[in-house]
Amino acid sequence: EAGVAQSPRYKIIEKRQSVAFWCNPISGHATLYWYQQILGQGPKLLIQFQNNGVVDDSQLPKDRFSAERLKGVDSTLKIQPAKLEDSAVYLCASSSTGANGYTFGSGTRLTVV
Amino acid sequence: GENVEQHPSTLSVQEGDSAVIKCTYSDSASNYFPWYKQELGKRPQLIIDIRSNVGEKKDQRIAVTLNKTAKHFSLHITETQPEDSAVYFCAASTNTNAGKSTFGDGTTLTVKP
Repeated sequence: EAGVAQSPRYKIIEKRQSVAFWCNPISGHATLYWYQQILGQGPKLLIQFQNNGVVDDSQLPKDRFSAERLKGVDSTLKIQPAKLEDSAVYLCASSSTGANGYTFGSGTRLTVV
Repeated sequence: GENVEQHPSTLSVQEGDSAVIKCTYSDSASNYFPWYKQELGKRPQLIIDIRSNVGEKKDQRIAVTLNKTAKHFSLHITETQPEDSAVYFCAASTNTNAGKSTFGDGTTLTVKP
């Protein structure tokens, strides 16, 4: 089966600019997650979608981060405006009902300068 | 919310030796505990998981043990090989399968030939 697709792989922006990341989960996976992984730390959940509805966004900095999942398939995560501390790898993961664990995408490495 | 602590942060072993990584969790409602392996620059990949109704699970050279009373679980790798070198993350979830997972900060395992 095809994996979780993410783009872009790398992005360098200046602080206060905006950026968007895209994720296409495995076909048929109802649940989609966005995680932020800062260098040297474990992934931290930003938002969880079930189909096109938000299940958990309690750790999403809503003053600057937003996410949507179009028609319960693809998802976009946006940061506006970016801060230096947003430099991290943004991982998208998906899972199906009854699945064992996640399948992660390759991630987008964001550097804010 | 859930808090997962992982130890040690770095671990170096000789090829052929065993490696043990330990994690503790705080939420007694957690019932699913996956382990992920992340090689440098790559995505985390699920290597083994355990549910709260099981005390131990093995898959070839990898085993995981769970002590619900003490709220800790461990990853055991026997007969380590250089290709086992990676960062290993434990996680805890209150969903019996995937669901929202809280990750530890990772253990960097180096296997010396």
